[in-house]
Amino acid sequence: DIVMTQSPDSLAVSLGERATINCKSSQSVLHSSTNQNHLAWFQKKPGQPPKLFIYGASTRESGVPDRFSGSGSGTDFTLTISSLQAEDVAVYYCQQYHSLPRTFGQGTKVEIK
Amino acid sequence: QVQVVQSGAEVRKPGASVKVSCKASGYTFTDYHIHWVRQAPGQGLEWMGCINANSGATAYAQKFQGRVTMTRDTSITTAYMELSRLTSDDTAVYYCAREDWYFRFWGQGTLVAVSS
Repeated sequence: DIVMTQSPDSLAVSLGERATINCKSSQSVLHSSTNQNHLAWFQKKPGQPPKLFIYGASTRESGVPDRFSGSGSGTDFTLTISSLQAEDVAVYYCQQYHSLPRTFGQGTKVEIK
Repeated sequence: QVQVVQSGAEVRKPGASVKVSCKASGYTFTDYHIHWVRQAPGQGLEWMGCINANSGATAYAQKFQGRVTMTRDTSITTAYMELSRLTSDDTAVYYCAREDWYFRFWGQGTLVAVSS
């Protein structure tokens, strides 16, 4: 199984400041058939289903604000919120869809400082 | 438009089983896999398994092998997840999601509470 490890577990950032979340996979999620990193980021708020924010490690889902960006390749990935807004308070999860079983990181809770 | 609608909340006693449904619409049901993910209170997201809506082939997380059964009824474009021998640790919100490689479309979630 591919183990996904996020850091930090939580972070508090002032409004308008940058938030950075890291995700490391135990093996490469670069898929040979698509030549893409099979890595997604989700936003999870209480009482709501997870919402896809980023796929292919760096492609923003339609409707996601451009202050969110994803980067990385192979085993190391980053989700960046360039200017934190109040509505961004949530838990963020990375997930690999390279192979079964699909696995998620443990989540990173983002709060306002 | 793609919609994925799950059945309502359930309460079960320990040792019982529960079957959650996931009704899909707005696309060709048999063109996509359906996955199941759960989130226990205060915990993260946990992948349980998936079903090929066309062939009915399944793949389950090792943790749930022998206790989970995923099925589908193509005539009513609905997928099901049945979990047996429930314990309090199975209290969680259960989600289904359509696979587009990644999980773009999710059901609203079904709370399953296990309590004596």
